[in-house]
Amino acid sequence: DAKTTQPPSMDCAEGRAANLPCNHSTISGNEYVYWYRQIHSQGPQYIIHGLKNNETNEMASLIITEDRKSSTLILPHATLRDTAVYYCIGINTNAGKSTFGDGTTLTVKP
Amino acid sequence: GAVVSQHPSRVICKSGTSVKIECRSLDFQATTMFWYRQFPKKSLMLMATSNEGSKATYEQGVEKDKFLINHASLTLSTLTVTSAHPEDSSFYICSARVPGLPSYGYTFGSGTRLTVV
Repeated sequence: DAKTTQPPSMDCAEGRAANLPCNHSTISGNEYVYWYRQIHSQGPQYIIHGLKNNETNEMASLIITEDRKSSTLILPHATLRDTAVYYCIGINTNAGKSTFGDGTTLTVKP
Repeated sequence: GAVVSQHPSRVICKSGTSVKIECRSLDFQATTMFWYRQFPKKSLMLMATSNEGSKATYEQGVEKDKFLINHASLTLSTLTVTSAHPEDSSFYICSARVPGLPSYGYTFGSGTRLTVV
């Protein structure tokens, strides 16, 4: 599974876009990029996933570089409730498990 | 859809006793579930992979006899912390791979806060 690298922390002003980067240079061709977030003392929550193309859903947008070595999660209008730890991981149908990196702690400030 | 229910959410037990944590897939069958442990301000650490009808696969350094895993049906996996000690206090989370998601992405339980006194 891909090793992911994320900045340990980021701040964002409420109402502004939050852009969270993830480096996954070792990702294999059949690994999807998944993003999850974890609010304190809860299980991780699915946000979005993608393989090659950019993706958007009601929660966020995912921008994947053409070489697939990195991606950016975009929360278009961050709210205080978006304060959480955000994890990106690679998930492969051929592997039973994936390893979580340290994630990025996003703090949305008023 | 694709909900994983984990119980209990919090448990306090005395040293030397055993505690069982349940993880159920409510609306799908999960042949594989995963158990994680998480320390404060740290990432999720995979403990073991639970396979329905067979023995669990433990990560290096995880004591098999301390953390007993049973996956007797396609919708239920249990983690039993045996002879618990204060150092076993932690946040335990289960997950399952979801057939409906590409590459069988994960869905997670809500976690169990174990405190051993």
